[in-house]
Amino acid sequence: GEDVEQSLFLSVREGDSSVINCTYTDSSSTYLYWYKQEPGAGLQLLTYIFSNMDMKQDQRLTVLLNKKDKHLSLRIADTQTGDSAIYFCAESRNYGQNFVFGPGTRLSVLP
Amino acid sequence: SAVISQKPSRDICQRGTSLTIQCQVDSQVTMMFWYRQQPGQSLTLIATANQGSEATYESGFVIDKFPISRPNLTFSTLTVSNMSPEDSSIYLCSVLGRGQETQYFGPGTRLLVL
Repeated sequence: GEDVEQSLFLSVREGDSSVINCTYTDSSSTYLYWYKQEPGAGLQLLTYIFSNMDMKQDQRLTVLLNKKDKHLSLRIADTQTGDSAIYFCAESRNYGQNFVFGPGTRLSVLP
Repeated sequence: SAVISQKPSRDICQRGTSLTIQCQVDSQVTMMFWYRQQPGQSLTLIATANQGSEATYESGFVIDKFPISRPNLTFSTLTVSNMSPEDSSIYLCSVLGRGQETQYFGPGTRLLVL
């Protein structure tokens, strides 16, 4: 079956770069996503990438996709305290449907 | 992106009662989804709600426990029936974006069952 895995915790110093990693098993994924969940809030879509791309950049965010290894990463440049949150990786087999979420990575940004 | 609101934002309920959660979108959308996020866990899809047809439930979720309505293209409700403490979770609705490439989520309803 489909499975999405992430490391559960990551701590970085303010100003450093954060790299959050995700692996998935479904080779027929169409899109891969990164969502952010702040305490007490819903999920905010950060970015997503089509499965035939290998990189996407949006301001401080860089997404890298290695389709051969089924590995997705999210790099946050110049990490700020406001970036502290849980980051969920997700993949879909059917465009915007049939999402499978990873367990989430809790990012802590230390002053 | 769509603007999505949910009511109530949180509630504390007694065992054996039912709670109906509302999800309102600021534009017409074809597909709406209901998820459950148990404490400290990831999201699990409960069902897909399409206007004009019965909701499609995922394995492990049944209509008697989680009845869903979808009366129009901007609104849906999820009822959590005959609640037990195991139903304590965040319930989130989401909608399929206009480009049908992604989903946008509401703020969630935080439910505690005593």
